[in-house]
Amino acid sequence: AAGVIQSPRHLIKEKRETATLKCYPIPRHDTVYWYQQGPGQDPQFLISFYEKMQSDKGSIPDRFSAQQFSDYHSELNMSSLELGDSALYFCASSLTGGEGYTFGSGTRLTVV
Amino acid sequence: QQQVKQSPQSLIVQKGGISIINCAYENTAFDYFPWYQQFPGKGPALLIAIRPDVSEKKEGRFTISFNKSAKQFSLHIMDSQPGDSATYFCAASSNEAAGNKLTFGGGTRVLVKP
Repeated sequence: AAGVIQSPRHLIKEKRETATLKCYPIPRHDTVYWYQQGPGQDPQFLISFYEKMQSDKGSIPDRFSAQQFSDYHSELNMSSLELGDSALYFCASSLTGGEGYTFGSGTRLTVV
Repeated sequence: QQQVKQSPQSLIVQKGGISIINCAYENTAFDYFPWYQQFPGKGPALLIAIRPDVSEKKEGRFTISFNKSAKQFSLHIMDSQPGDSATYFCAASSNEAAGNKLTFGGGTRVLVKP
């Protein structure tokens, strides 16, 4: 079965650089979520999109932005990167009325 | 303020034993309570989930117990195996609107000793 695809798997950036993370949800899922997970931490909700419209916003810094495109894939753009942005970034997708989110394998971002 | 509190933070159990993880929530609007299993470097994987209209749900060796009045729910892993060693997260969400985000507990690292 198709899963949530994230790319890249690993990313190393320098401080103040920009990073773009991509997510391809499960086909026919209508909602995409982005989560940030620091070392030893639980995943923290960043932002979500329902049918390509932003549906909810969590603790996402102003330096970050995200969007969902016509083909339902989503991108998380991170600018002016800081050391503290180093984390695992997960994308998940779900179908309204269904049960359970499916998470991707994540992108490990390291800011040096 | 953590809306979903999880305990213990870590747990060591002998092979064949029972692992018990507890969670408590504050928001009475929550109506969906999943448990996720996460291995290092991997995304969380849905293990089992429950809604408030049932008090217990069992799938294989995994059982969720739910106490709506106490706003608590727990995961029991029966006959724990070394392959169950992972971090377990409880979570909660509300289905009031589309795009209902998950609020996670702090996680429990489980180690099953062979």
